[in-house]
Amino acid sequence: GAGVSQSPSNKVTEKGKDVELRCDPISGHTALYWYRQSLGQGLEFLIYFQGNSAPDKSGLPSDRFSAERTGGSVSTLTIQRTQQEDSAVYLCASSLIGQPQHFGDGTRLSIL
Amino acid sequence: AQKVTQAQTEISVVEKEDVTLDCVYETRDTTYYLFWYKQPPSGELVFLIRRNSFDEQNEISGRYSWNFQKSTSSFNFTITASQVVDSAVYFCALSEVYTGNQFYFGTGTSLTVIP
Repeated sequence: GAGVSQSPSNKVTEKGKDVELRCDPISGHTALYWYRQSLGQGLEFLIYFQGNSAPDKSGLPSDRFSAERTGGSVSTLTIQRTQQEDSAVYLCASSLIGQPQHFGDGTRLSIL
Repeated sequence: AQKVTQAQTEISVVEKEDVTLDCVYETRDTTYYLFWYKQPPSGELVFLIRRNSFDEQNEISGRYSWNFQKSTSSFNFTITASQVVDSAVYFCALSEVYTGNQFYFGTGTSLTVIP
């Protein structure tokens, strides 16, 4: 499809395991964003890419979180040694400069 | 400091009432964009409107209208004759050109329309 694609849609894993979340932005969108949304809460900004570089990593909650983007396209968000408080929906969005963000359906992460 | 403030955490109205969702923003940039998004219970984020900082004309789209006032740094959203389907969380957002398209979201306003 033409929208932002995230995979997996759901991920259940044990505490302490590493997880990798993937985002395929809309083709041609230079900006890519990761957010986290806990149940009933607002959007928590994690990181933002312009091309392959990340001008703003200020939202990453800890050094267990990292993200990369390659080829100005696909991005992966990695969480190492997951904790129960990492359970949330992780949302990816992409956009052109000054244009609305288009959101994916999110990855629902559950840490047991 | 919060770039985007949505002071109303939750609002409940009875169907057919009008409701206004407030949004106040903070920026030093002269060129910026403002947005409203809707997140219904199903979870997907739906884009509603984008305004640029040079266009203060109010906009109306059906039952939705937006009031942009630079003098008060506000971008308020009014739903006229609310319907149950309007029940959702509404987010206001700011994008500053000088930060290269960084987005700042408010904390959202949860609207419940009671039948």
